[in-house]
Amino acid sequence: GAGVSQSPRYKVAKRGQDVALRCDPISGHVSLFWYQQALGQGPEFLTYFQNEAQLDKSGLPSDRFFAERPEGSVSTLKIQRTQQEDSAVYLCASSLVLGQPQHFGDGTRLSIL
Amino acid sequence: KQEVTQIPAALSVPEGENLVLNCSFTDSAIYNLQWFRQDPGKGLTSLLLIQSSQREQTSGRLNASLDKSSGRSTLYIAASQPGDSATYLCAVPLHGSSNTGKLIFGQGTTLQVKP
Repeated sequence: GAGVSQSPRYKVAKRGQDVALRCDPISGHVSLFWYQQALGQGPEFLTYFQNEAQLDKSGLPSDRFFAERPEGSVSTLKIQRTQQEDSAVYLCASSLVLGQPQHFGDGTRLSIL
Repeated sequence: KQEVTQIPAALSVPEGENLVLNCSFTDSAIYNLQWFRQDPGKGLTSLLLIQSSQREQTSGRLNASLDKSSGRSTLYIAASQPGDSATYLCAVPLHGSSNTGKLIFGQGTTLQVKP
């Protein structure tokens, strides 16, 4: 596709459920990033992939958060045993290579009840 | 630790005004600085990227300047239009290295341009 695609756009889950958020980066983009954006705040870095390698996961808030990109293209962010504080917009971005401008998807708005 | 601050948090202006959005950062050892636009319910659109060796970048009615030594950047919007209404975010790479790529964002300035 022409841009970064994220699905679902909206996700509502009950506290304690597991969720999976998908990101389709721009074709050929080596770098992929996940960010978390709370209401009224700027995005905060979660994790970074170069191809299939997860090179930085320092921003993941707890061990309930897990991300993968097994074939170096599509990435999935999984949150286990969701908590209310996980409610946020989760943004995915990709860039051709590291250091080039990042292109963002429209995000997944996650609401935990 | 790098911190990015944007002032003001919100701004409302009549159509046609020229305006300036401010961004400050605490660690001047940055590789570049990027300005983004975010419309409600949407992702971020990159507007301008200024490399550390540059003083400014221009795109249409937008002009971004960078003063590394003082830790400041400004986004100037000329002849504002209602379509400019959005949240504007600035961001710098963490640790000031091009090898990280991960961005630290300010909280954003929400702009409303009234017809």
